[in-house]
Amino acid sequence: DAGVTQSPTHLIKTRGQQVTLRCSPISGHKSVSWYQQVLGQGPQFIFQYYEKEERGRGNFPDRFSARQFPNYSSELNVNALLLGDSALYLCASRSGQGAYEQYFGPGTRLTVT
Amino acid sequence: LAKTTQPISMDSYEGQEVNITCSHNNIATNDYITWYQQFPSQGPRFIIQGYKTKVTNEVASLFIPADRKSSTLSLPRVSLSDTAVYYCLVGDGRGSTLGRLYFGRGTQLTVWP
Repeated sequence: DAGVTQSPTHLIKTRGQQVTLRCSPISGHKSVSWYQQVLGQGPQFIFQYYEKEERGRGNFPDRFSARQFPNYSSELNVNALLLGDSALYLCASRSGQGAYEQYFGPGTRLTVT
Repeated sequence: LAKTTQPISMDSYEGQEVNITCSHNNIATNDYITWYQQFPSQGPRFIIQGYKTKVTNEVASLFIPADRKSSTLSLPRVSLSDTAVYYCLVGDGRGSTLGRLYFGRGTQLTVWP
């Protein structure tokens, strides 16, 4: 079975632009979470979606939004990009609310210039 | 959520056993202790989870004393490929909040030949 996949792998944007990152969870997994990892830091929680509904949101501005589709894939959108948004964006999936193990994708490296 | 404290870095040699200790003085009754491993430019990977006493799997062992205020991840006979950042997380292991994992800065383990 394929693991969590994310696209694109790398992305370069300029300040003020908008970006959409995509994630496909492991087949059968209904929960998707997004994390931002700045160089030298641990991943920081952004969003959690379960059964297409937002179930949690971290301390990020409204420029960050996400959604989950009927096939459980997910998109993370970031508007009005800032230099500080440069980071590795990670997507993780788990089978359900009661599952304790999260499976992470390889991430999307976003560089804002 | 309980805050965790772990060493910033550790060094070891191939074939040695490595023990990484994590402090979590404010752990709650419902909290589980989970360890993740992360290689550069990859998403974190689940290693092991436990609630009390000792848990062992094919990769590592997790030792948790009776007061649960600390835990020790033990990696037997490390190899160069075990060089990575190791994160200790504390939180509700089976509830909806698990969708939001809280990572600290982790411990950079470097294994030398």
